[in-house]
Amino acid sequence: QKEVEQNSGPLSVPEGAIASLNCTYSDRGSQSFFWYRQYSGKSPELIMSIYSNGDKEDGRFTAQLNKASQYVSLLIRDSQPSDSATYLCAAISSGSARQLTFGSGTQLTVLP
Amino acid sequence: AAGVIQSPRHLIKEKRETATLKCYPIPRHDTVYWYQQGPGQDPQFLISFYEKMQSDKGSIPDRFSAQQFSDYHSELNMSSLELGDSALYFCASSTRTSGHEQYFGPGTRLTVT
Repeated sequence: QKEVEQNSGPLSVPEGAIASLNCTYSDRGSQSFFWYRQYSGKSPELIMSIYSNGDKEDGRFTAQLNKASQYVSLLIRDSQPSDSATYLCAAISSGSARQLTFGSGTQLTVLP
Repeated sequence: AAGVIQSPRHLIKEKRETATLKCYPIPRHDTVYWYQQGPGQDPQFLISFYEKMQSDKGSIPDRFSAQQFSDYHSELNMSSLELGDSALYFCASSTRTSGHEQYFGPGTRLTVT
């Protein structure tokens, strides 16, 4: 079992809809969580970081963290075709020297 | 804003050859990480440096080594290359004062033939 699990998808949503991406993690001591967007053949691009329980909003993106349930999510409002990419959930595990452990990624397609 | 710089962007090598990948972190970032991403896989952590000292090791083969220099740039040295080493190699950098958010470079695509 991977330390960070994501629904691999693919996930398709129509343009303008809300896309919901989910992630669970197994290390209860993990403190830092990140969402990256990766276009095919390109490098991961940091979208959101979240460290405490609750919601964190940045433009069209909202990250949610529930440490009791070991659950992280990313909501993308008003989805655009340019949002079509693979979204990687990542965590910094307890005891590590801050390296990221990634989920397998969720492939999102926003249909025009 | 300045980003992480990696060179070369593409590299083609034959089996058993050696390769050196370079990374220039974002100015004033104190930690450098190397990740390997195979086709259809998520990035896997290889090794990291904090203030020029190796801080952690992941799934890095013994054939690989890395170091960070006084100007904070880092090099990943890969010897006795195998076909399975073909992958994207990313360097990322972070600073403790920004919650360890890691910013990735554009990557080096290594192809071993």
